[in-house]
Amino acid sequence: NAGVTQTPKFQVLKTGQSMTLQCAQDMNHEYMSWYRQDPGMGLRLIHYSVGAGITDQGEVPNGYNVSRSTTEDFPLRLLSAAPSQTSVYFCASSYQVNTEAFFGQGTRLTVV
Amino acid sequence: AQTVTQSQPEMSVQEAETVTLSCTYDTSESNYYLFWYKQPPSRQMILVIRQEAYKQQNATENRFSVNFQKAAKSFSLKISDSQLGDTAMYFCAFMKPNSGNTPLVFGKGTRLSVIA
Repeated sequence: NAGVTQTPKFQVLKTGQSMTLQCAQDMNHEYMSWYRQDPGMGLRLIHYSVGAGITDQGEVPNGYNVSRSTTEDFPLRLLSAAPSQTSVYFCASSYQVNTEAFFGQGTRLTVV
Repeated sequence: AQTVTQSQPEMSVQEAETVTLSCTYDTSESNYYLFWYKQPPSRQMILVIRQEAYKQQNATENRFSVNFQKAAKSFSLKISDSQLGDTAMYFCAFMKPNSGNTPLVFGKGTRLSVIA
């Protein structure tokens, strides 16, 4: 019963590098989302998807891209990493947009 | 836009005692959901309790209960018989049904320490 799986758990990048944070869920949830958590800021929505082939921007989308080619996977791409993107990233999924969200264990990303 | 405010950045409580975490929110909606999430040092986000705004009865889950005051836009979490495993960050969150842009709006969190 895997739930929501995020990889990697930790990552260090140099400024300007690109990378993809992976997120997969095995609960057949339509709704998936990415949040970033910064000290004293709570969690803020980056991008979300209401189903395969459909994505939209959240509160803080700049510097990030997403795609949703399958129901299971929702990767988050950092195109050119910046120190301001140092954060903990959470992927979440839910059956519908207004039902309980299940979270992955997070990825701690440091950009130097 | 909805906002969620947690006015207590840090709290502590003695083991076996009761503690209440505060949360207020701002919305013009009449129907919505409220949540408390727990984040222990493992970083995992765990749903503690959920309240539907149309329900007058306060939600309870074992040692966790809420005091939902809709008119005051207040949603506090009470933890009874506190245990060491309750040590965590606690986030209050708001959700507007059928919203697309910001499905979950979080407060900034309260760090709770349970002391033996």
